[in-house]
Amino acid sequence: GEDVEQSLFLSVREGDSSVINCTYTDSSSTYLYWYKQEPGAGLQLLTYIFSNMDMKQDQRLTVLLNKKDKHLSLRIADTQTGDSAIYFCAEILTGGSYIPTFGRGTSLIVHP
Amino acid sequence: EADIYQTPRYLVIGTGKKITLECSQTMGHDKMYWYQQDPGMELHLIHYSYGVNSTEKGDLSSESTVSRIRTEHFPLTLESARPSHTSQYLCASSELGTGELFFGEGSRLTVL
Repeated sequence: GEDVEQSLFLSVREGDSSVINCTYTDSSSTYLYWYKQEPGAGLQLLTYIFSNMDMKQDQRLTVLLNKKDKHLSLRIADTQTGDSAIYFCAEILTGGSYIPTFGRGTSLIVHP
Repeated sequence: EADIYQTPRYLVIGTGKKITLECSQTMGHDKMYWYQQDPGMELHLIHYSYGVNSTEKGDLSSESTVSRIRTEHFPLTLESARPSHTSQYLCASSELGTGELFFGEGSRLTVL
């Protein structure tokens, strides 16, 4: 079965890099997603990566995938106070129901 | 900008009342979802639909019901609200075969 794990909290100083980690358990072909939830709002897709890729970069965001360890990370460069939010990792198996399995979310706090 | 809308955003009601949370999307997505989000941030899938006249129960047992009479509309109903139903409810939609979900802003329900 699918299981997605994340650490619950991360605190960083403004201008530093943030690294949010996620582990998943399924070994099938899979898409892995990062969503962001700001206070009082729904989730918004940030980026995604397919399991045959190692890295994906999009402006300040870098996603790294270690397939051997089933470890996914999201790096935010030059973290700003506006990046303070909850970040959810999610996994979808290809060929299945395409229902995402979400992690519990990592609360990122950016302080001056 | 996601075109998915939830009403009401906030609702406070007494025990035993019947309530319907509305969710509409204008993207023509076949798939729609309802998630319950607890104060600890975790998302629980309570219902989903593959299209008109399709409704499925999610991972979390729920006393709510849903209907999908039109593609764009996926309302959730609680026949008799209880304090244990107090939570944030998030609606989402996606195209078939993708994990890119578009979320509404959420409906925060408080049952006294």
